[in-house]
Amino acid sequence: DVKVTQSSRYLVKRTGEKVFLECVQDMDHENMFWYRQDPGLGLRLIYFSYDVKMKEKGDIPEGYSVSREKKERFSLILESASTNQTSMYLCASSSLDRNTEAFFGQGTRLTVV
Amino acid sequence: QKEVEQDPGPLSVPEGAIVSLNCTYSNSAFQYFMWYRQYSRKGPELLMYTYSSGNKEDGRFTAQVDKSSKYISLFIRDSQPSDSATYLCAMKATGGFKTIFGAGTRLFVKA
Repeated sequence: DVKVTQSSRYLVKRTGEKVFLECVQDMDHENMFWYRQDPGLGLRLIYFSYDVKMKEKGDIPEGYSVSREKKERFSLILESASTNQTSMYLCASSSLDRNTEAFFGQGTRLTVV
Repeated sequence: QKEVEQDPGPLSVPEGAIVSLNCTYSNSAFQYFMWYRQYSRKGPELLMYTYSSGNKEDGRFTAQVDKSSKYISLFIRDSQPSDSATYLCAMKATGGFKTIFGAGTRLFVKA
């Protein structure tokens, strides 16, 4: 069974903290993505990566950075968390040859207080 | 204007009803059309995938794409309480990395 695993289901952090969200996939997929999901706005792409050490900005990269040191792991970093980054964060992966099918993790609900 | 528009609902139907979920889009470069289902407190999972125009059927689910109208639909026949979820349409251009998602329609099927 294919799997994308996010390190935390729920997180509460304080304003100004540095926050790390981790994602691991076991499908040997080339592509990995970070989205945030907000009511009425759907899924918005923050960053994606198509290879180790490669990254591309999505639609809303401001306030975020990413790291992909190994093929199976893609990390999202909030350098200085703010309350407007309270959201559901979803990691996804897809293969290069079937990139229309993305597999999602269960999501991390982050609350910044 | 958003690239993909989807009515957020909620949509409430009785068990056994035929459900119609729809999205419109503005980018004529989209060639791949997907429907994802998302249960509460879970990540989305791919339900249906269609390339270009036409229909695709899978059990109780039928996906339709009308590229001339820039309109896609998902039909659910004989709806069940277990179909209660948020349904997200998604689209992608050929050769692109980015998938554009609709906001999702929340569906409730009452027993």
